[in-house]
Amino acid sequence: QKEVEQNSGPLSVPEGAIASLNCTYSDRGSQSFFWYRQYSGKSPELIMSIYSNGDKEDGRFTAQLNKASQYVSLLIRDSQPSDSATYLCAVSRPPDKLVFGAGTILRVKS
Amino acid sequence: GAGVSQSPSNKVTEKGKDVELRCDPISGHTALYWYRQSLGQGLEFLIYFQGNSAPDKSGLPSDRFSAERTGGSVSTLTIQRTQQEDSAVYLCASSLGPGEGYTFGSGTRLTVV
Repeated sequence: QKEVEQNSGPLSVPEGAIASLNCTYSDRGSQSFFWYRQYSGKSPELIMSIYSNGDKEDGRFTAQLNKASQYVSLLIRDSQPSDSATYLCAVSRPPDKLVFGAGTILRVKS
Repeated sequence: GAGVSQSPSNKVTEKGKDVELRCDPISGHTALYWYRQSLGQGLEFLIYFQGNSAPDKSGLPSDRFSAERTGGSVSTLTIQRTQQEDSAVYLCASSLGPGEGYTFGSGTRLTVV
């Protein structure tokens, strides 16, 4: 079992729809959770962090965390073609590193 | 600086040559990480520096790889006797501390021919 698992996709959504990206992790000791966006040929960019159960909203992005189910998700509302990228889930591996999932490719079609 | 700076951005080298990749982290970030990403693949952890502690080298794929961090700031990743399978994008990241979100540099694309 991988430490951080994501569906590789591609996930295709029409412009204006909600894109839902999911991630599961195996280490119950993980305390910090992050979502990165990576455009083709570019380096990953941090877009969301979440540390406690529940929802955290930032603009069109909402991160959701359920530690009991070891599940993290990212919702993108009003998806735009510019949101097309690979989204990486990262989970802290105590005490000091992040473990990255392989990423989900998102395609937003206009 | 404002962001994590990596140089060179591209490096083409002949098989068997040594290469040095440089990373200048964000000022004040105590943690520095090296990852590599092969085409279409995920991020592979290489090495981690935290302050003045001994580095975590658990991700280095072979003894041809080494890294140092001088003065708690700039880091150099050295690959000796490069092989074709070393071709990848080498990413450096820094963070305020353990478990914090990373800021990545723009990477060095290494091609071994």
